[in-house]
Amino acid sequence: AQTVTQSQPEMSVQEAETVTLSCTYDTSESNYYLFWYKQPPSRQMILVIRQEAYKQQNATENRFSVNFQKAAKSFSLKISDSQLGDTAMYFCAFMKHWDGGSQGNLIFGKGTKLSVKP
Amino acid sequence: DAGVIQSPRHEVTEMGQEVTLRCKPISGHDYLFWYRQTMMRGLELLIYFNNNVPIDDSGMPEDRFSAKMPNASFSTLKIQPSEPRDSAVYFCASSLVSGRSYNEQFFGPGTRLTVL
Repeated sequence: AQTVTQSQPEMSVQEAETVTLSCTYDTSESNYYLFWYKQPPSRQMILVIRQEAYKQQNATENRFSVNFQKAAKSFSLKISDSQLGDTAMYFCAFMKHWDGGSQGNLIFGKGTKLSVKP
Repeated sequence: DAGVIQSPRHEVTEMGQEVTLRCKPISGHDYLFWYRQTMMRGLELLIYFNNNVPIDDSGMPEDRFSAKMPNASFSTLKIQPSEPRDSAVYFCASSLVSGRSYNEQFFGPGTRLTVL
């Protein structure tokens, strides 16, 4: 079975600064996807960034980037130039790759509550 | 597109009552997922469907929970009888895979259920 661990229940950062959220996972699968989701107080789950395990290059989306270390099973999220709107719960998630054009469910970590302070 | 629609947004009920949560996936999507979020257990899968057929219901806690997808545009999650420990936020998500290796799961706004 796969597990996802986020060891930082809460973090805070000053506006415009950089913060890194940690995530480790455990799996015996060789092909999979990793995600970071943002959940603001509105409760809506929003996909921030995605990484395919077969890609060595780290994914980036504007101010958001990941450090994917496959051998170490580590997948951290870096937020640059933090903004007040980044205040939210952040969830790391894993999804196994399914052959044949099918899909399985997401497996989530417990989340990290990020507060961006003015 | 309106996105994934869930109703109601909030539900307060008393222990023992039947509760029905509803979900309308994004039109054309072929996968539908029900997740539950609690403080203790975080976000966990309850059940998911592909082309209206249940694929994995191993996350359904017990026989009090049932889910149906009578057509491609509607799904229900029913709890009967409800218990206080069922209090949680229930999310529905849908995706269009259609033979590809991956596609994003789009989440609804969730239903916050409180069982007194």
